[in-house]
Amino acid sequence: QKEVEQNSGPLSVPEGAIASLNCTYSDRGSQSFFWYRQYSGKSPELIMFIYSNGDKEDGRFTAQLNKASQYVSLLIRDSQPSDSATYLCAVTNSGGSNYKLTFGKGTLLTVNP
Amino acid sequence: NAGVTQTPKFQVLKTGQSMTLQCAQDMNHNSMYWYRQDPGMGLRLIYYSASEGTTDKGEVPNGYNVSRLNKREFSLRLESAAPSQTSVYFCARGDSGANVLTFGAGSRLTVL
Repeated sequence: QKEVEQNSGPLSVPEGAIASLNCTYSDRGSQSFFWYRQYSGKSPELIMFIYSNGDKEDGRFTAQLNKASQYVSLLIRDSQPSDSATYLCAVTNSGGSNYKLTFGKGTLLTVNP
Repeated sequence: NAGVTQTPKFQVLKTGQSMTLQCAQDMNHNSMYWYRQDPGMGLRLIYYSASEGTTDKGEVPNGYNVSRLNKREFSLRLESAAPSQTSVYFCARGDSGANVLTFGAGSRLTVL
């Protein structure tokens, strides 16, 4: 069973701080990595994806990927109370269909004003 | 959620009853998905459809059937509902190469 592990949290940071969310995955052949944000009672929405080792920046968000360590992270700079949500890490499965994503259980982030 | 419409939003069933969750996309994307989300379990793939006319099992397909009626519509059917199927169900379409997902608003199903 391919697994994606996230710390369930809650992760609590003060407004303006950097929030760091981490994810590890078991499938060494995974090629694509995604971060989704889900507000309470709402559906997940894509924040960003990353395919290559290294960093990818999009506004206040930076995704970091290290395939050798099977580790992907999301940094949120200048955290805002509106960033308070559950963050889901998702990984494509190797060895067959590229359509299957495995999701982690999510990390609950709380940004305190 | 613009782009993916799910109905109904809420449903209460008795054990053994059947029902169909409907999903429609407003784009012309090939891939569509059904997920369920349970507390502490995350999102789990039930079925997906890579293109019109094809469907495949995901991680938790038992107790469910799907139909890809046309390119726009992908329905999920519970033939004989069980309390273990109490969950929030999300339909999604795949953009930009299949696995960038746009989700519907969700359907909350309770089976008594």
